[in-house]
Amino acid sequence: GAGVSQSPSNKVTEKGKDVELRCDPISGHTALYWYRQRLGQGLEFLIYFQGNSAPDKSGLPSDRFSAERTGESVSTLTIQRTQQEDSAVYLCASSSTSGSYNEQFFGPGTRLTVL
Amino acid sequence: QKEVEQNSGPLSVPEGAIASLNCTYSDRGSQSFFWYRQYSGKSPELIMFIYSNGDKEDGRFTAQLNKASQYVSLLIRDSQPSDSATYLCAVKGGSGTYKYIFGTGTRLKVLA
Repeated sequence: GAGVSQSPSNKVTEKGKDVELRCDPISGHTALYWYRQRLGQGLEFLIYFQGNSAPDKSGLPSDRFSAERTGESVSTLTIQRTQQEDSAVYLCASSSTSGSYNEQFFGPGTRLTVL
Repeated sequence: QKEVEQNSGPLSVPEGAIASLNCTYSDRGSQSFFWYRQYSGKSPELIMFIYSNGDKEDGRFTAQLNKASQYVSLLIRDSQPSDSATYLCAVKGGSGTYKYIFGTGTRLKVLA
């Protein structure tokens, strides 16, 4: 596609439920990133993928958070047993790993609200 | 010490003035530096990147990098109310990593 897409755009869930957030990167981009942004805050790094492997998952806040990527394309971020503090916008970005600059392109985000 | 530091602001400048946004980073091995603009409720969008010492100009925007001082800045000339947004500094590490560290952003207000 032309850009990074994410779905759903909005998700409202009840505390304790599991949610899955999806990211479709720009075609050909081998690097994929997940960030969390709470209201009025900066970007909090969660995890990044190089191809299908995750060299750095140090930002995942707890074992309730997991992510996978298949086929060097789509990625899914799963949050189990959601808590109210998980409410935030979850942003996905992708970048090429060829060339020197490798700027990231962001998707529109998924706004997660945990009631 | 945070890995990438920015003053949260808000930085208020009158329309037509020069806005100067600053960022410091801790990893001396960092190689690429990016400025993103984020409007309220929107995703970050890339404005400029810089990777060598000195200045890089693109229209009204100039990025400045000083690796010895571990400092990168963004100048916006002839500031417009439409430039009002949060500006995020991002730093990419040395070779072999594609991880980016973002600062918390500086909120810029351009007063008409």
